[in-house]
Parts: sequence; structure tokens; C-alpha cells
Amino acid sequence: EPEVTQTPSHQVTQMGQEVILRCVPISNHLYFYWYRQILGQKVEFLVSFYNNEISEKSEIFDDQFSVERPDGSNFTLKIRSTKLEDSAMYFCASRPETSGGYEQYFGPGTRLTVT
Amino acid sequence: SQKIEQNSEALNIQEGKTATLTCNYTNYSPAYLQWYRQDPGRGPVFLLLIRENEKEKRKERLKVTFDTTLKQSLFHITASQPADSATYLCAPISTGGYQKVTFGTGTKLQVIP
Repeated sequence: EPEVTQTPSHQVTQMGQEVILRCVPISNHLYFYWYRQILGQKVEFLVSFYNNEISEKSEIFDDQFSVERPDGSNFTLKIRSTKLEDSAMYFCASRPETSGGYEQYFGPGTRLTVT
Repeated sequence: SQKIEQNSEALNIQEGKTATLTCNYTNYSPAYLQWYRQDPGRGPVFLLLIRENEKEKRKERLKVTFDTTLKQSLFHITASQPADSATYLCAPISTGGYQKVTFGTGTKLQVIP
């Protein structure tokens, strides 16, 4: 069964460094999302991406964040200058355009630790 | 502002019993309500969706109800098993836009053998 994959599974970085989190959505999906979950808290929406542009973003998704779909398969989240509070699990999700119920398929996540 | 409330306390239940989880929402008029399961350190997994014009939906041992008047959804797991232990998330979805999923805080279910 097709699934969303994410790399790396765990990323440790120093405060102020740039990180790129990578996702490979399911191949025929057209909507892409990033979410994050700080330890012990709820899953929070960051950004949605459709037709090669950001379609919606949350207040969390400030100028330090950017997303890109550099080719037909990858979808990346970049954090330019990481802060301690960026430490969280980051989940990528995708869904097909024809998904009538809008259910999303989530990847396994990348655990980002900022020291 | 929009709010989604789930039982904040963990729910402990004996194996074989029916677990009932509650999701209440305010300042929403969702066309759908989704339920997801999340295991520790893993991404949410979609379980069930119910539409606003449906009162009840079933899938194997799972049952979801949706009361748009009460602004509430109930999620039932019958004949619960220890493997059902996880956090369950509800997500009301409005039509239009790009359907970001806004999750509740989730209810942690523990099924005791």
C-alpha cells in the first residue's frame, strides 16, 4: 500500500542552524501539508500546498519557514534559523484531489531536536 | 474562536468492554468530522469519516455518531482490545479551502487486559 515517507527520522541541530525536512508524498496525491507536534501537545497545522504554491498557512508558519516541491516527488520544509522552541515532531501529509472525505495520509514524522 | 474539546483525561477500560470517546466543538459548522488514531511517536492514521447528514457510521468494531445540534461526535470501540490502546483525535472539517485538519487534543485510551 502506498505511504508517505519522511527523512530523516531524527534530526539534531544547533540553535540558529538551518534544517530541511524531507517528505515524499503518495504519488498521485495533489494536496500536501506540514504539521508539527510539540511533545505532549496536540498536532498543529503549519501549511498546505497545492498547485505549486502555498494555499494556507498558520500563525506558526512565519518567515523562518518555507516549503518547496523541488521535483515531482519531494516536498520539503525548511527552517532557516532554528530556535529551541522549534523542537517537535514534524509530520508531512498528503491527499488526493478526489478524496471526497478529505482524509489525509500522514508520514511517520521527523523528530527535530534543537540544542 | 473555533474550539475542539475531547476528554482531556485518559480513558482506562477493561478488555472486551465498549470504549466511548467524546468530541465537542464550538464555532464550527463542519461538513465532515474525521477520527484519527495516533500511536506514540507516530503520525495520525485516518480511521473514519462521518458527514453532516449522517447520524451514524460503522466500520468493523468502530462506530461514530455525529449530532450537529449538540455539536458533538461520539466514537465507540466495541469489544475493545489492548491493541486499541492509543490516542484518538477528532477533527471537524469545513468544506472549501484546502481542508487543513485541525485536531482536538485527543483522548488517550488504555485497554487493560
